[in-house]
Amino acid sequence: EDQVTQSPEALRLQEGESSSLNCSYTVSGLRGLFWYRQDPGKGPEFLFTLYSAGEEKEKERLKATLTKKESFLHITAPKPEDSATYLCAVQGSFGNEKLTFGTGTRLTIIP
Amino acid sequence: GAGVSQSPRYKVAKRGQDVALRCDPISGHVSLFWYQQALGQGPEFLTYFQNEAQLDKSGLPSDRFFAERPEGSVSTLKIQRTQQEDSAVYLCASSWINYGYTFGSGTRLTVV
Repeated sequence: EDQVTQSPEALRLQEGESSSLNCSYTVSGLRGLFWYRQDPGKGPEFLFTLYSAGEEKEKERLKATLTKKESFLHITAPKPEDSATYLCAVQGSFGNEKLTFGTGTRLTIIP
Repeated sequence: GAGVSQSPRYKVAKRGQDVALRCDPISGHVSLFWYQQALGQGPEFLTYFQNEAQLDKSGLPSDRFFAERPEGSVSTLKIQRTQQEDSAVYLCASSWINYGYTFGSGTRLTVV
């Protein structure tokens, strides 16, 4: 069974204070690791897909990295508008199309 | 349409009532998923369609839950005889050949 564990559960940072969110996973045959952002009352918003260990992707102040056991979402010089819950999900081997999500990290950026 | 549309946005049901939740996926998206998200938790998989075929329903919690997508476009998730533990946000997602999933804003179901 695929499993995803995210840490920390919650993180409070001052504006401009860089940090990283962790996503540890176990999956049989990783097809993709996904990062989503979720604002209160809204559905998850797609950020990145990573497919293989060593891969990195960047978007504005966010950078996602992937190893064989975990992924990190690095946030550089965050702004208050980066406050949200960040969800990590994995998709396993072909024939199993569902995404398995972690419980998320609730990020708060204090002005 | 531009995004995945779900209706209603909010639904309050009395325990024992039947409810139907609608999902309009992005036009042309082949795959459609339903997820259940409890407060403070990540989304949990319920069921998956490819066109009109329901290929995986392993996440449906009981036989009170039923989903359909008869013409390969709009999908309906039906919950019969609702119970308090069914209270959650129900999310729909669609994608083109299982890449780049786009989620709707969800339906918040409260069973009283």
